[in-house]
Amino acid sequence: GESVGLHLPTLSVQEGDNSIINCAYSNSASDYFIWYKQESGKGPQFIIDIRSNMDKRQGQRVTVLLNKTVKHLSLQIAATQPGDSAVYFCAENIPSQGGKLIFGQGTELSVKP
Amino acid sequence: DSGVTQTPKHLITATGQRVTLRCSPRSGDLSVYWYQQSLDQGLQFLIQYYNGEERAKGNILERFSAQQFPDLHSELNLSSLELGDSALYFCASSVRVTGELFFGEGSRLTVL
Repeated sequence: GESVGLHLPTLSVQEGDNSIINCAYSNSASDYFIWYKQESGKGPQFIIDIRSNMDKRQGQRVTVLLNKTVKHLSLQIAATQPGDSAVYFCAENIPSQGGKLIFGQGTELSVKP
Repeated sequence: DSGVTQTPKHLITATGQRVTLRCSPRSGDLSVYWYQQSLDQGLQFLIQYYNGEERAKGNILERFSAQQFPDLHSELNLSSLELGDSALYFCASSVRVTGELFFGEGSRLTVL
């Protein structure tokens, strides 16, 4: 079956350090992946996406890496700031299942000043 | 601000009751999605509409129904409510059938 899961439910980092949030997916047919950030009391907010024909994509302070061989996705946040504290979700799109995104359970990132 | 508007923001009701949650997508977005987020849970996909037609269905209970109207706003109807239906219900929209979803702030439903 399909599943998107996260290796670590919580991650605590020091301000200024780099953060790496990992995600495993099980469906090799997934063609599109997105990372979302959800702050307390708010809706998920798009961070960065990547298509399956790429293995790396960079944004502002964030990088997403995709390893299709082991079905692994990671989000790297450079110079983590207190404002980065939130729950991070990875999500995958499986073309055969229409437009729905399947979300993982989420990782809570806590940034210590 | 994502441009997706959900009402009401908070709703408290009793078991057995029925509620309607409303979503206005971003201007120009044809796809609307509904997700349920329970305490300590991820986002569970419920249903998707594209330009008024049901496009994909997830683990949506038979007590729940939804529709997308000609003006593209959507409503999620929850009936015969149970305590376990207490959750955050998110609406999201996108321009196309697939792609980046823009989420609203959610409707927090509490069933007592």
